[in-house]
Amino acid sequence: QKEVEQNSGPLSVPEGAIASLNCTYSDRGSQSFFWYRQYSGKSPELIMFIYSNGDKEDGRFTAQLNKASQYVSLLIRDSQPSDSATYLCAVKTSYDKVIFGPGTSLSVIP
Amino acid sequence: GAGVSQSPSNKVTEKGKDVELRCDPISGHTALYWYRQSLGQGLEFLIYFQGNSAPDKSGLPSDRFSAERTGGSVSTLTIQRTQQEDSAVYLCASSLADTSQETQYFGPGTRLLVL
Repeated sequence: QKEVEQNSGPLSVPEGAIASLNCTYSDRGSQSFFWYRQYSGKSPELIMFIYSNGDKEDGRFTAQLNKASQYVSLLIRDSQPSDSATYLCAVKTSYDKVIFGPGTSLSVIP
Repeated sequence: GAGVSQSPSNKVTEKGKDVELRCDPISGHTALYWYRQSLGQGLEFLIYFQGNSAPDKSGLPSDRFSAERTGGSVSTLTIQRTQQEDSAVYLCASSLADTSQETQYFGPGTRLLVL
């Protein structure tokens, strides 16, 4: 079992819709959870961080964490074409190492 | 402020040659990661340095790969006897690892092409 898993996509949503990205992890003692965005040909950049169960909202982005289910998600409301990118889930494990998932490619169709 | 820098930005080499890739992390960051990313693929973890601890080398794909971090700052990733399958973007990231919010800041990467 891979430590951090994501659907590879591509996920296509129409402009203005909600995009839902999912991530599961294997280390139950994991501490912190991150979503990075990577545009084609660019380096990843952090967009959201969450460490408590529940929801965390930042503008159009909402991160949701369920530690019991070992599941973290990212919702993007009112999706824009500029949101088209690969979204990487990352987990800081109980042994203090950050592990990245394989990423989900998102395409927002105008 | 200065971010993570990497050099060279692009490197073209012949199969069998050695290459050195450099990473300058953000000043004060205790953790430094190296990743490899092939075209259209995810991040492949290579090696992790944290303070004065022994590095986590579990991601290095073969003994042709090595890395060092001098003085807890600059890091060099060395690939000996390069192969065509080593062609990829090599990304370096640094962070303040002693916080729960361990945001990794990535450099622009080195694009390596082995002919």
